[in-house]
Amino acid sequence: AQKVTQAQTEISVVEKEDVTLDCVYETRDTTYYLFWYKQPPSGELVFLIRRNSFDEQNEISGRYSWNFQKSTSSFNFTITASQVVDSAVYFCALSEDNTDKLIFGTGTRLQVFP
Amino acid sequence: DSGVTQTPKHLITATGQRVTLRCSPRSGDLSVYWYQQSLDQGLQFLIQYYNGEERAKGNILERFSAQQFPDLHSELNLSSLELGDSALYFCASSGRGGGGTDTQYFGPGTRLTVL
Repeated sequence: AQKVTQAQTEISVVEKEDVTLDCVYETRDTTYYLFWYKQPPSGELVFLIRRNSFDEQNEISGRYSWNFQKSTSSFNFTITASQVVDSAVYFCALSEDNTDKLIFGTGTRLQVFP
Repeated sequence: DSGVTQTPKHLITATGQRVTLRCSPRSGDLSVYWYQQSLDQGLQFLIQYYNGEERAKGNILERFSAQQFPDLHSELNLSSLELGDSALYFCASSGRGGGGTDTQYFGPGTRLTVL
């Protein structure tokens, strides 16, 4: 069965700290896709990244980086030098190749204090 | 701005009523998805349409139905509303919808409050 676990319910940091959001997934498929979405206080869901199961290269986009490790079924997200604008709920999601639906984790609320 | 539009932004109604939520996908996208976000259930997939046809169904109640029109906009109909239907309803769209290869872009959501 597919499942996404975000064990961290809430994280609080002070501006400029680095923070890592954990995501662990379960799937029996060999082809699958992993996503991160950001939900700021305004409520919309903003796409951040998509990664397929055959690409284990880590990715960096500005202050954001993602670490995909198939051996531990994890797809962790790190924000470097956090800013107040990073305050949001972050969702990790999984999609298997034979279906388009996204299975979301429960989300991690990140609060960045000035 | 994702390019996906949803109307209305907010909807307040009473138990037993019926409402329609509307979604316009990004230009060129053929697939439309509906998700429900509630405090107790989190973000859950409801249903997907691809080029007018139902493609996949999730945990959608029988009181709920959806359709996708020839111009590719979609409507989610919720009837016999209960207090527990209060939630944020998201529409998302993607290009091909043929597998988990496309990114889904989400609209701003419709917040439904059932009193």
